[in-house]
Amino acid sequence: DVKVTQSSRYLVKRTGEKVFLECVQDMDHENMFWYRQDPGLGLRLIYFSYDVKMKEKGDIPEGYSVSREKKERFSLILESASTNQTSMYLCASSVTGNSNQPQHFGDGTRLSIL
Amino acid sequence: QKEVEQDPGPLSVPEGAIVSLNCTYSNSAFQYFMWYRQYSRKGPELLMYTYSSGNKEDGRFTAQVDKSSKYISLFIRDSQPSDSATYLCAMTPIYNQGGKLIFGQGTELSVKP
Repeated sequence: DVKVTQSSRYLVKRTGEKVFLECVQDMDHENMFWYRQDPGLGLRLIYFSYDVKMKEKGDIPEGYSVSREKKERFSLILESASTNQTSMYLCASSVTGNSNQPQHFGDGTRLSIL
Repeated sequence: QKEVEQDPGPLSVPEGAIVSLNCTYSNSAFQYFMWYRQYSRKGPELLMYTYSSGNKEDGRFTAQVDKSSKYISLFIRDSQPSDSATYLCAMTPIYNQGGKLIFGQGTELSVKP
């Protein structure tokens, strides 16, 4: 069965901190994604990756970076956390490169920046 | 204008009702259509996956695609309180870079006992 695991369900950090959100998938998927989800705004794509060490900007990349050193792991980095980055962060993965396959999601990390 | 429009609700229905959830889209290249269900404090889970026009049924759920009208629907028959969740539509063309999906905003559904 498909499994996407996000390292933390809840996280509280302070303004200015560097924050790492980790995501691991066990399906050998090539594509991985990071979204944030806010009330009234839906899912917004931050970054995605279609191969190891490859990354592409999504719709709202400002203030974020990503790392994909291994196929199964995709990290989201908040370089200097700000209060407007308080949100639910969702990681997802899908099968192959330029594909139309469904994405499989983790259960999210609820991040609060104080 | 957003590529995919979905009424955010909230939608409240009595148990046993037939529920209709809808999305409209503007990009005629979209060929694959999905519905996700998201319970509170959980990630979205895939509910239905369809290609092009037509209907697909899975138990109490029916997904319908009308490409000529650029309109997709999810019907839930005999709705149950356990169906209370946010439902998101998603779609994509045949080929797209990196497997990106375009999501609707999600409709919050509440089924009252």
